[in-house]
Amino acid sequence: DQQVKQNSPSLSVQEGRISILNCDYTNSMFDYFLWYKKYPAEGPTFLISISSIKDKNEDGRFTVFLNKSAKHLSLHIVPSQPGDSAVYFCAAPSYNQGGKLIFGQGTELSVKP
Amino acid sequence: ETGVTQTPRHLVMGMTNKKSLKCEQHLGHNAMYWYKQSAKKPLELMFVYNFKEQTENNSVPSRFSPECPNSSHLFLHLHTLQPEDSALYLCASSQEAVGFSPLHFGNGTRLTVT
Repeated sequence: DQQVKQNSPSLSVQEGRISILNCDYTNSMFDYFLWYKKYPAEGPTFLISISSIKDKNEDGRFTVFLNKSAKHLSLHIVPSQPGDSAVYFCAAPSYNQGGKLIFGQGTELSVKP
Repeated sequence: ETGVTQTPRHLVMGMTNKKSLKCEQHLGHNAMYWYKQSAKKPLELMFVYNFKEQTENNSVPSRFSPECPNSSHLFLHLHTLQPEDSALYLCASSQEAVGFSPLHFGNGTRLTVT
């Protein structure tokens, strides 16, 4: 049973436009979420996080929105740049599994010039 | 050198070989992890070490054997692997072994078992 799901394996966006990456979760006990970005041949890097006490967290061009009632979060990148092309993973710590991070499958973003 | 360093970057081994993956972190973190990433699958947690003590073994087969001699070094010893063990193996560290402490990943070892 996958508790964190990213249902879109890939997304293609034009440079300068908005990229929206989606993530759904099933465990209502999740109260903290993280996004990681991964370039080919590199390890994932932490991008942005959000606590369930907030519904939005912004860091420069990156904003994460959390809709707790829908168990849905999204990462908005605006404006998108070619250097944003990467695989994006959402993750949540599962406290009834020792706090280990549960990752989604990832969404590969391609930003076209 | 900063961050999390993994060696080797690529490894090809036969099913009867014994090899080891090495990870070193220069961040002063207390927790270290091994993750496995297979194609089209989420990252899978394998092992967690907190202050050099193993705190989690996520039902990993015994052909994978971790070792953490100190808070900065982590090894994954491999023996009699199967072709389905071919994957990207990622080491990570964090300040604390709790989920909201962001992970810092190495660049991984791409393992191919023939």
